[in-house]
Amino acid sequence: TQLLEQSPQFLSIQEGENLTVYCNSSSVFSSLQWYRQEPGEGPVLLVTVVTGGEVKKLKRLTFQFGDARKDSSLHITAAQTGDTGLYLCAGAGSGGSNYKLTFGKGTLLTVNP
Amino acid sequence: SQTIHQWPATLVQPVGSPLSLECTVEGTSNPNLYWYRQAAGRGLQLLFYSIGIDQISSEVPQNLSASRPQDRQFILSSKKLLLSDSGFYLCAWSVYNPSPLHFGNGTRLTVT
Repeated sequence: TQLLEQSPQFLSIQEGENLTVYCNSSSVFSSLQWYRQEPGEGPVLLVTVVTGGEVKKLKRLTFQFGDARKDSSLHITAAQTGDTGLYLCAGAGSGGSNYKLTFGKGTLLTVNP
Repeated sequence: SQTIHQWPATLVQPVGSPLSLECTVEGTSNPNLYWYRQAAGRGLQLLFYSIGIDQISSEVPQNLSASRPQDRQFILSSKKLLLSDSGFYLCAWSVYNPSPLHFGNGTRLTVT
């Protein structure tokens, strides 16, 4: 069974601070996705990383996929209150199980004004 | 553009009552469809997956079942709800594997 561990589970910071959240596994994933979820809504995709070592930037958000494709990180620069939400990483298996995403339990981020 | 509709948004049901949650997708053909459950606002557990009409894979043995009577319609059902069925149920679609999932806004189910 593939597992994804996200850390920290909870993070409360002030607006303007930088932060990094992590997504780790002992399993190799063919790709990894990051989602953000707001209360009472479904998760919304932020990015997909596919290649080991890949770095993608989305405005103030920087996503990195580990060289071995077992881990990923999300770095937010100068956090804003609008960044508040639950950040979920999800890994895709390979071959016949590539339809199935394994989700981490998420990092609940609160950005205070 | 593609849209996904999921209803109802909230539901309170007594133990032992039946359940039917519906999800429809518009703007795409032959999508992969998924039902997830999210407990306490945290990680998502895959319940059912479908690649086509009447083709359903169950990921977790439980008190629930799923059906896909039409290409873009996915239904989650139960004959008799348990307290442990409470949670946030999310429907999602994708167009290929692995591809990003597009989620509905979920149904908050409380079994009392």
